[in-house]
Amino acid sequence: QKEVEQNSGPLSVPEGAIASLNCTYSDRGSQSFFWYRQYSGKSPELIMSIYSNGDKEDGRFTAQLNKASQYVSLLIRDSQPSDSATYLCAVKSGSARQLTFGSGTQLTVLP
Amino acid sequence: SAVISQKPSRDICQRGTSLTIQCQVDSQVTMMFWYRQQPGQSLTLIATANQGSEATYESGFVIDKFPISRPNLTFSTLTVSNMSPEDSSIYLCSVEPDPTDTQYFGPGTRLTVL
Repeated sequence: QKEVEQNSGPLSVPEGAIASLNCTYSDRGSQSFFWYRQYSGKSPELIMSIYSNGDKEDGRFTAQLNKASQYVSLLIRDSQPSDSATYLCAVKSGSARQLTFGSGTQLTVLP
Repeated sequence: SAVISQKPSRDICQRGTSLTIQCQVDSQVTMMFWYRQQPGQSLTLIATANQGSEATYESGFVIDKFPISRPNLTFSTLTVSNMSPEDSSIYLCSVEPDPTDTQYFGPGTRLTVL
């Protein structure tokens, strides 16, 4: 059973702070990793994908991957109230096309 | 990416009836997927729908309950059959445009079964 684990939160950070979201996965054959953001009542939207160990930066967002530790994280710098949402970690294993999602972390950025 | 639409956006149905949800994408894609998101929960894959072949269902989901059609590379339907209140969920289609391995989601269909 392939599992993806996230801290369910809720996680609250003040505006301007760094929000750190974490995700672990069980399948060592996992190859592709994704972070989605889901606002209440909306569908998930892709924030970032990462495939190699290390950091990947896109604007205020940085994804970090450590395959040896089976760990992927998302950092949001200069957090804004508009970042308040549920963040979903998703993993794709090997040649499979299916995504396995974590349970999501609810983030609230306080003004 | 891809522009995806779903119909209906929401519906309220009676127990024992069936609802067909449509998913339309603005470009041809090989891979389409159907997910369910129950209240307060994450996404669970129902099935993978490839054009020209039978849908592949995940454990816990069966064709009799969730029949899927995929008549061409831009369209798919999911039917929720013989509904019960436990089927109340958001149903989402997603696509994986070639040659990426990234999935994009439609706006979802919010289903309430009374």
